[in-house]
Amino acid sequence: AQKITQTQPGMFVQEKEAVTLDCTYDTSDPSYGLFWYKQPSSGEMIFLIYQGSYDEQNATEGRYSLNFQKARKSANLVISASQLGDSAMYFCAMREFALYNNNDMRFGAGTRLTVKP
Amino acid sequence: NAGVTQTPKFQVLKTGQSMTLQCAQDMNHEYMSWYRQDPGMGLRLIHYSVGAGITDQGEVPNGYNVSRSTTEDFPLRLLSAAPSQTSVYFCASSSGLVPNEQFFGPGTRLTVL
Repeated sequence: AQKITQTQPGMFVQEKEAVTLDCTYDTSDPSYGLFWYKQPSSGEMIFLIYQGSYDEQNATEGRYSLNFQKARKSANLVISASQLGDSAMYFCAMREFALYNNNDMRFGAGTRLTVKP
Repeated sequence: NAGVTQTPKFQVLKTGQSMTLQCAQDMNHEYMSWYRQDPGMGLRLIHYSVGAGITDQGEVPNGYNVSRSTTEDFPLRLLSAAPSQTSVYFCASSSGLVPNEQFFGPGTRLTVL
């Protein structure tokens, strides 16, 4: 069974600095996708970034980038130039693609990021 | 587009009561899912569907039923509510096309007394 591990329950970062949120995963499926979501205190889930297992380059979306190390099975989220609005819970998730019509996406326990002014 | 909508936003039940959480999406997505979110445990998949008439169990399906009679709707039924089902419930939909990210509804906060 797929498994997602986020080892940092909470992280602090100074405004305008960069921060890395860790995520490791476990799968035997060679084809999978990794996702990061943000959940502000208001509760909604916001999709941030995606990395496919066969993508050769690390994904980037604005201030978000994904440090994908396939051999280590890690998919860390890097947020550059942190802003106060980045304070939120961040979830790493994975979906395996080998099974046809698989809609089974699993999430890690999350990391609470606090940006200090 | 309204996206994914969920009703109700809040609900309090007594142990043993049954109820249905409603979920609808207007994006013509084939894939829909139900998750529950408990403190410190992230989101756990309850049930999912890959199209009308097709459903399957996720990680924590016990105590819940689903059906998918239309592409738009994916209700979650609690058969006999228990305090352990106190949680925030999220419905999500996705297109089935890579990257196939989930679009989430606003959530339903359920308390079982």
